[in-house]
Amino acid sequence: SQQGEEDPQALSIQEGENATMNCSYKTSINNLQWYRQNSGRGLVHLILIRSNEREKHSGRLRVTLDTSKKSSSLLITASRAADTASYFCATDAHTGGFKTIFGAGTRLFVKA
Amino acid sequence: EPEVTQTPSHQVTQMGQEVILRCVPISNHLYFYWYRQILGQKVEFLVSFYNNEISEKSEIFDDQFSVERPDGSNFTLKIRSTKLEDSAMYFCASRPGLDTDTQYFGPGTRLTVL
Repeated sequence: SQQGEEDPQALSIQEGENATMNCSYKTSINNLQWYRQNSGRGLVHLILIRSNEREKHSGRLRVTLDTSKKSSSLLITASRAADTASYFCATDAHTGGFKTIFGAGTRLFVKA
Repeated sequence: EPEVTQTPSHQVTQMGQEVILRCVPISNHLYFYWYRQILGQKVEFLVSFYNNEISEKSEIFDDQFSVERPDGSNFTLKIRSTKLEDSAMYFCASRPGLDTDTQYFGPGTRLTVL
């Protein structure tokens, strides 16, 4: 799989349930970011976790990072219909220069 | 709150024509990026720019592409001779720093090559 691959590809849940999305990556990273994208719109940054951090919270979001397994998860608690969007993980690697690689994304649909 | 802006929002061009996509990053940011997203696919890194030069570019960013920061304000992406497969959303992003700082994305320019 490519750098920054999410699973599942699509997730459908009821409002109020929790949504968990996973991301795996291949190379060493400096940090990992999660973004949200509403259909046809730009990307909104949700949370950044550095490589020396294991967990981070922001409101209803919880992100974990396991560098030994090269994986991260994004948990959205008490989901709302407005959370319906695509969610992408992205990794920063300093490879001489700097580049950010996005995964394929998880499409989340929250049913009211 | 400051934001990244991009113009135009939609550009339609004929195959083989040159296009310039414009971005105005947030004023105190130092790192700039261009990405593209083909419809229904993932966001692909094109190029990063710092200190008035390209920092890194992907294999997509071939000789048809160039970037410029002509006046300390705008950040442009030029595609010299567009192909049908260049049709995509193009996103600009800027960032104040690297390791702990987020990227701020513009709303994108939808490029349609006919």
